[in-house]
Amino acid sequence: SQQGEEDPQALSIQEGENATMNCSYKTSINNLQWYRQNSGRGLVHLILIRSNEREKHSGRLRVTLDTSKKSSSLLITASRAADTASYFCATDVRDNYGQNFVFGPGTRLSVLP
Amino acid sequence: KAGVTQTPRYLIKTRGQQVTLSCSPISGHRSVSWYQQTPGQGLQFLFEYFSETQRNKGNFPGRFSGRQFSNSRSEMNVSTLELGDSALYLCASSPSDSYGYTFGSGTRLTVV
Repeated sequence: SQQGEEDPQALSIQEGENATMNCSYKTSINNLQWYRQNSGRGLVHLILIRSNEREKHSGRLRVTLDTSKKSSSLLITASRAADTASYFCATDVRDNYGQNFVFGPGTRLSVLP
Repeated sequence: KAGVTQTPRYLIKTRGQQVTLSCSPISGHRSVSWYQQTPGQGLQFLFEYFSETQRNKGNFPGRFSGRQFSNSRSEMNVSTLELGDSALYLCASSPSDSYGYTFGSGTRLTVV
């Protein structure tokens, strides 16, 4: 099973509406990150939120983190067609080999003009 | 400043061959990580290099290997290619553990 899982798997909204995506994870983290990927290209880093932070903003993006519920949400306000992409959360995990970031399966967002 | 550069962008190989993919990180970034992305498995961590040392690795067979050079450039090699190795291979660099990754555009490998 995934360390991080996004919900919903797919989301379709009209331009101008807000989009909310959620991420749940299983183990303790030091930080959680959100990324965007356009159509099979590389991922673009959006926001990193540390475990001692509850909320961060970046332009039209707002990320919250609730470590007690092991969940995070990404809110995109006033969405645009250009926001159409897949969004991934990534959590840092530490195993026997060291630390790496584990990505969830992603939420595919479609913003309709 | 220049981003993460991956070469080649596209590659077609036949089963049994081997392939080498290259990644040039952002200048000053010493950590380079590799991920495999497929529709079925999503993003899977392959390995991470830091200052020429493999610091972490994912759950992939020994056919997948990598290395990092003194200038932080990294290569990954896949030997004895299988059809299931067809994927988008993404390289990401970071200045340290406390920062997010900057990803390259990826190399799309097709094994026929």
